[in-house]
Amino acid sequence: GENVEQHPSTLSVQEGDSAVIKCTYSDSASNYFPWYKQELGKGPQLIIDIRSNVGEKKDQRIAVTLNKTAKHFSLHITETQPEDSAVYFCAANPGGSQGNLIFGKGTKLSVKP
Amino acid sequence: DAGVIQSPRHEVTEMGQEVTLRCKPISGHNSLFWYRQTMMRGLELLIYFNNNVPIDDSGMPEDRFSAKMPNASFSTLKIQPSEPRDSAVYFCASRTGMTTEAFFGQGTRLTVV
Repeated sequence: GENVEQHPSTLSVQEGDSAVIKCTYSDSASNYFPWYKQELGKGPQLIIDIRSNVGEKKDQRIAVTLNKTAKHFSLHITETQPEDSAVYFCAANPGGSQGNLIFGKGTKLSVKP
Repeated sequence: DAGVIQSPRHEVTEMGQEVTLRCKPISGHNSLFWYRQTMMRGLELLIYFNNNVPIDDSGMPEDRFSAKMPNASFSTLKIQPSEPRDSAVYFCASRTGMTTEAFFGQGTRLTVV
C-alpha cells in the first residue's frame, strides 16, 4: 500500500526566513497531494494542494512542488510569520482512487519572532 | 454550512466501557472518513465510506472497533470494550470527489482510564 514519509519532524526558523518540508510517496498511481495545517486543539485544514498534472503551484507565501519521477513533493513557506507555527501534514491518495488519503507523520514548525 | 460536526469534544471513560463517537458530515459530501491521531502513529485512517457504504475498513485496529453510516448525514464510531491504548484524538472528515479537499471536524479527544 501507499507509504508517505515526511521530513523533518520538527523545524524551527526565525521570523522572515523560509521553511521547507519534504515528503516522499511510494504509490506511482497517486495523483493528488494536499498539505494540511493543524493548529493546537483543532482539526487539520487544507492550505494548498497539487495534482499530478502540474509540477508547481503557488498561493501567496506558500508553494508546493511535485517531482513525479522521484515521487516526492515539498512545501515551501516564504517570509514566515509567528502565526505559521503549527503542525503541517502532507498526504497522498493511493491508487489515484476516490478513497482515502494517507498522511505523513507531520512536521512541527516553530517560527521565532 | 457549519462544517463537519463531531460529538462529544472530550470523552473520559473507564476501561471496559462502550464508547460511541458521532459525526455529521458536510451536506452534499459523499465520502466520510474516520481517522485516529496519536503522537506515535500520527494520523491513521480507520475506515471510510462512499455514499454511506463502507469501502475500506482495513485500518480498524480490532473487532472492538465498529463504524456505521445509516444515512448521508450521520456516522458513528463505536469502541466496545474500550482499553487505555485507545486513548487518542479521533477525527471525522468528509469530501466529495477524488481530488478535492477533505474537511475535518474538531475531533474527539478520548481518554480511557
